[in-house]
Amino acid sequence: QVRLQESGPGLVKPSQTLFLTCTVSNASISSPNYYWSWVRQPAGKGLEWIGLIYSSGNTIYNPSLRSRVTISVDTSTNQVSLRLKSVTAADTAVYYCARENHSGWRFDSWGQGTLVTVSS
Amino acid sequence: SYGLTQPPSVSVSPGQTANITCSGDNLEDEYVSWFQQRAGQSPLLLIFQDTKRPSGIPERFSASMSGNTAILTISGTLTLDDGDYHCQAWDKNNYVMFGGGTKLTVL
Repeated sequence: QVRLQESGPGLVKPSQTLFLTCTVSNASISSPNYYWSWVRQPAGKGLEWIGLIYSSGNTIYNPSLRSRVTISVDTSTNQVSLRLKSVTAADTAVYYCARENHSGWRFDSWGQGTLVTVSS
Repeated sequence: SYGLTQPPSVSVSPGQTANITCSGDNLEDEYVSWFQQRAGQSPLLLIFQDTKRPSGIPERFSASMSGNTAILTISGTLTLDDGDYHCQAWDKNNYVMFGGGTKLTVL
């Protein structure tokens, strides 16, 4: 059973860079069968897709966040990372990593999520 | 803003049928997934490729398409079905779109 675990600081100051990692267990992030995505959810609101990364390292980002986002992978640690620069209070949310399985084009596995608050 | 449109809330009595809609431009050309999210939990995949259920998802969850509207149907609704429901699709640029979510209240 694949497991995704997000980790990172729970508090980030405005204008700084948010950095999160997602550690994947029981599945290889190098597999061509999956994409790896970051999704966020402000309190009481819907899900917002941030972006994804292929096994090749290619990325696709939400156009509304593209100028501030970088998603990368570290195959040596089987981790997917998210960097979001110049954060504001509007970036306060629970951040999830999720696996997209090409067998059915489905997001079949999600981490438990990590709350990031942007505040001074 | 969200690329897909869902009603903010739906109410249903236990044992009855709940229908949650999701509309979007050209949605009939894209595969739609549905997720359940209980309070404080991560999303759970209920439906993929418009109508397919992953193993372990009860048969009372089903889905269909009507033109550019996807419909999630919960038959014989249980109180534990209370929560938020999200639709999701891919657009032609391989961007992921979510609906704004629908809060299902079972009372």
